[in-house]
Amino acid sequence: DTGVSQNPRHKITKRGQNVTFRCDPISEHNRLYWYRQTLGQGPEFLTYFQNEAQLEKSRLLSDRFSAERPKGSFSTLEIQRTEQGDSAMYLCASSPDGGTNEKLFFGSGTQLSVL
Amino acid sequence: KNQVEQSPQSLIILEGKNCTLQCNYTVSPFSNLRWYKQDTGRGPVSLTIMTFSENTKSNGRYTATLDADTKQSSLHITASQLSDSASYICVVSPSSYNTDKLIFGTGTRLQVFP
Repeated sequence: DTGVSQNPRHKITKRGQNVTFRCDPISEHNRLYWYRQTLGQGPEFLTYFQNEAQLEKSRLLSDRFSAERPKGSFSTLEIQRTEQGDSAMYLCASSPDGGTNEKLFFGSGTQLSVL
Repeated sequence: KNQVEQSPQSLIILEGKNCTLQCNYTVSPFSNLRWYKQDTGRGPVSLTIMTFSENTKSNGRYTATLDADTKQSSLHITASQLSDSASYICVVSPSSYNTDKLIFGTGTRLQVFP
């Protein structure tokens, strides 16, 4: 499978716990994006990387959220001290590079439920 | 405020029928408009991408139209199949080089029944 892979697919945690998600983009895709999607809404941009550099962070990304892409390949998204409002689908997407009509390839997401 | 609005919110049709989904946007500047299909519990999959100079683009049974003057787009599905049941999301990009600025609509939930 050469698509974008996300793990785990589902995560249930108690409020206050830390969680970490992983995204493996399509090989050789330089750009990697994280989005959050709640039920009945479109995805909301969180952050993106160009290779290992984190170039943009949304205001939605509070201090409890941190993302890394240490070697410019896979990425992790960590949420510390989870809150019930963090419950959502976390989507990762990758693309070969920027430019006009850049096409994003999305993973299947990690569904987070905070109890 | 940059916004993308889709209608209807949900739609039920019978297998084999055609349908049209609408997207209105107030995004400025405008670079391109995308339609995505999202199956339940899965990530979105790109159907079409159109720039302001393109009026129509097809992908199999999916045909998207764009009127950049009225800031409207539609997605027409021909001869619907059960596998077309999904959410269809309209996405507008205000910039050619910053895909992080994509503005997503809330989607139209389509259900196709036999």
